[in-house]
Amino acid sequence: QKEVEQNSGPLSVPEGAIASLNCTYSDRGSQSFFWYRQYSGKSPELIMSIYSNGDKEDGRFTAQLNKASQYVSLLIRDSQPSDSATYLCAVNGLLRGATNKLIFGTGTLLAVQP
Amino acid sequence: DAGVTQSPTHLIKTRGQQVTLRCSPKSGHDTVSWYQQALGQGPQFIFQYYEEEERQRGNFPDRFSGHQFPNYSSELNVNALLLGDSALYLCASSFRHSAEAFFGQGTRLTVV
Repeated sequence: QKEVEQNSGPLSVPEGAIASLNCTYSDRGSQSFFWYRQYSGKSPELIMSIYSNGDKEDGRFTAQLNKASQYVSLLIRDSQPSDSATYLCAVNGLLRGATNKLIFGTGTLLAVQP
Repeated sequence: DAGVTQSPTHLIKTRGQQVTLRCSPKSGHDTVSWYQQALGQGPQFIFQYYEEEERQRGNFPDRFSGHQFPNYSSELNVNALLLGDSALYLCASSFRHSAEAFFGQGTRLTVV
């Protein structure tokens, strides 16, 4: 079982629709969860962080966390063609000395159709 | 406020050569992590530096080594390059107790 799993997609949605991206993780001790957006040929850009169960909203983005089900999701409302990118789910893995590393899924490719 | 900067942006090396990649963390950050991202994959953790020491490394051979300087900047060295080392190398900076990490623009390494 992979530590962080995502559907590779592509997920195709029409412009203006809601895009729903999902991620599951295996380490119950994980405390921090992140969504990164990566455009083709570019580096990952942090778009959402979530640390407690429930929803967290930031503009058109909503992150949802359910630690009991080991599940985190990202909703993008009013999807735009500029949202077309690969979305990476990342989970923290605690290292010695209280520092952290990130464990990434393989990413979901989102394509927003005009 | 400068973000994470990496150099060079692109690099072509021959198999067997050695390469050094550089990273300056975001202002206020003291921890640097290096990741390797192969095409179509998520970033894979190589190692992390804090207080000029390697804190932990991922599943990468000893050909991969690094260093952190007193100003928190860092280098990644790869010896005896293999074709399979071709990838996007990403530096991420964070503050020690925060898992939130910010990436530089990456170095695209091609080994021929």
